[in-house]
Amino acid sequence: AQSVTQPDIHITVSEGASLELRCNYSYGATPYLFWYVQSPGQGLQLLLKYFSGDTLVQGIKGFEAEFKRSQSSFNLRKPSVHWSDAAEYFCAVGAQVGYSSASKIIFGSGTRLSIRP
Amino acid sequence: KAGVTQTPRYLIKTRGQQVTLSCSPISGHRSVSWYQQTPGQGLQFLFEYFSETQRNKGNFPGRFSGRQFSNSRSEMNVSTLELGDSALYLCASSPGLASYEQYFGPGTRLTVT
Repeated sequence: AQSVTQPDIHITVSEGASLELRCNYSYGATPYLFWYVQSPGQGLQLLLKYFSGDTLVQGIKGFEAEFKRSQSSFNLRKPSVHWSDAAEYFCAVGAQVGYSSASKIIFGSGTRLSIRP
Repeated sequence: KAGVTQTPRYLIKTRGQQVTLSCSPISGHRSVSWYQQTPGQGLQFLFEYFSETQRNKGNFPGRFSGRQFSNSRSEMNVSTLELGDSALYLCASSPGLASYEQYFGPGTRLTVT
């Protein structure tokens, strides 16, 4: 069965420091992978996506993620975080539903990011 | 382009009542998916609609239902509300079926008392 694991529930980093959020997935075929960010009381905003091609993906707000098939990972990185990056981050995999043409997104449990001034 | 809109943004209902939530997708998008977000269960897929037909359904009881109109707008209905239905309900639109790129609305916060 498809699944997404985000091992870190809560991470605190200092403003200006680098960031890496971990994500591991389980999916039989080539995965479609996503990172979303959610600010308190808000919906989800797509940060970046990987469908195929270059395994290093650039997203919005200075984020990037690297797809590593051998490790089943899709970790999110940012070289220097800003106080406004404090939010909840969700890794997700797009999965086809059986033999139908329908699809669904399976989300990880999220990582809450706090920024230390 | 305007984003995904959801109405109402906040709702308080009493146990046993029913509720209808509305979602207007991005113009030109034909697929609408619904998700429930709670602190305990996280983000869970409810259902997906495309061309007015439910194409996919998550593992939720029959009290949860939805529909899609010819203009792609969607509604979801929860009948006989339970305290555990308190959650943020998120709607996402995408250009077509099996288009994994989904754009989320701000959500409707439902509180059941």
